[in-house]
Amino acid sequence: GESVGLHLPTLSVQEGDNSIINCAYSNSASDYFIWYKQESGKGPQFIIDIRSNMDKRQGQRVTVLLNKTVKHLSLQIAATQPGDSAVYFCAETDTGGFKTIFGAGTRLFVKA
Amino acid sequence: KAGVTQTPRYLIKTRGQQVTLSCSPISGHRSVSWYQQTPGQGLQFLFEYFSETQRNKGNFPGRFSGRQFSNSRSEMNVSTLELGDSALYLCASSLTGTADTGELFFGEGSRLTVL
Repeated sequence: GESVGLHLPTLSVQEGDNSIINCAYSNSASDYFIWYKQESGKGPQFIIDIRSNMDKRQGQRVTVLLNKTVKHLSLQIAATQPGDSAVYFCAETDTGGFKTIFGAGTRLFVKA
Repeated sequence: KAGVTQTPRYLIKTRGQQVTLSCSPISGHRSVSWYQQTPGQGLQFLFEYFSETQRNKGNFPGRFSGRQFSNSRSEMNVSTLELGDSALYLCASSLTGTADTGELFFGEGSRLTVL
């Protein structure tokens, strides 16, 4: 497959453990945030989103936390599985901006 | 329904040439965005189109251009290619491209290598 990034921060976790991936966003006006997962050779895929009027949202095995005071997002993955190994990006959008900006990405390795 | 389709998937060009990449969005999606992905710079926003109009653009030189057709299909063009243009070019579609409509749906990208 294709490499999506050779110089990314890396998080290595044991299968079954919980993972936490952090992201600092840049624009105070951003009001919509998404986490994407990118596997080798593929485009990014939606995982979970959150709007600025919320501070927590849960999905299946994933939770996103938003702290607008410090402009920080986190993605928590419960019971991490080998299939979760990928690069994870946070993304921010501001209303009417018609532009979604991506963070640098974090590579997650899951050890069996 | 069919996803976002990008063509070609792989291409090799030499410096000074130009290239055109194509993107067919998901049926019913009217917003198309383009991103450049490189190991060093991550995903960089190029431009966004809606109803044949460019609504926003990133910080790229004028060699990078795009357009959208009435059927929402989009093309991007890079002229006078440089070695640094080697990258994965990703197209993403969404219903309207605003924060009200949810996530971007990405294609698998066009891998451009400039020699």
